[in-house]
Amino acid sequence: KQEVTQIPAALSVPEGENLVLNCSFTDSAIYNLQWFRQDPGKGLTSLLLIQSSQREQTSGRLNASLDKSSGRSTLYIAASQPGDSATYLCAVQGIKAAGNKLTFGGGTRVLVKP
Amino acid sequence: ETGVTQTPRHLVMGMTNKKSLKCEQHLGHNAMYWYKQSAKKPLELMFVYSLEERVENNSVPSRFSPECPNSSHLFLHLHTLQPEDSALYLCASSQAPLRGYTFGSGTRLTVV
Repeated sequence: KQEVTQIPAALSVPEGENLVLNCSFTDSAIYNLQWFRQDPGKGLTSLLLIQSSQREQTSGRLNASLDKSSGRSTLYIAASQPGDSATYLCAVQGIKAAGNKLTFGGGTRVLVKP
Repeated sequence: ETGVTQTPRHLVMGMTNKKSLKCEQHLGHNAMYWYKQSAKKPLELMFVYSLEERVENNSVPSRFSPECPNSSHLFLHLHTLQPEDSALYLCASSQAPLRGYTFGSGTRLTVV
């Protein structure tokens, strides 16, 4: 059974610092890994999608890496801003998962202080 | 309209009521999903309709009943719910199996 873990569970940084969020998964047989952002009480916004054959994806200040063999992904957010405050979720789509379901981590709650 | 649209955004219902949540996707995807998000818990998959195959999570109580009349619409029918069913219910779609998911804004359900 695929398990996804995100460390740390919460993170507080001053504005301008770089953010590093970690995600690990137990079964490397995946189609892809996706990072999402969730604001309180809202739905999920997709940030980056990394296919299993890729090592990283970049979008603006965001960069996500994937090491499938070790079961790890890291999301980097450069020069953090108060608007980056949210919960960040990673999820993997397992090859063996029925219905192509996503398995989610518990999330990292980020607070960027002005 | 594009993306994944969920209605209603908020719903308060009594334990004896019957209600339905609606989800519509305008992305041409071939799979749709219902997820439940409770306070301080990871998102839990409830139901999947993928390539016309329905896949259930066997731990979902029968008081939740999904319906997928076509590839663009998904419903979650609710009846005789319990207060612990109060949660954020999220719908998503994808072009299975290799594309990422797109989520709707969710329905905040409160059972009183």
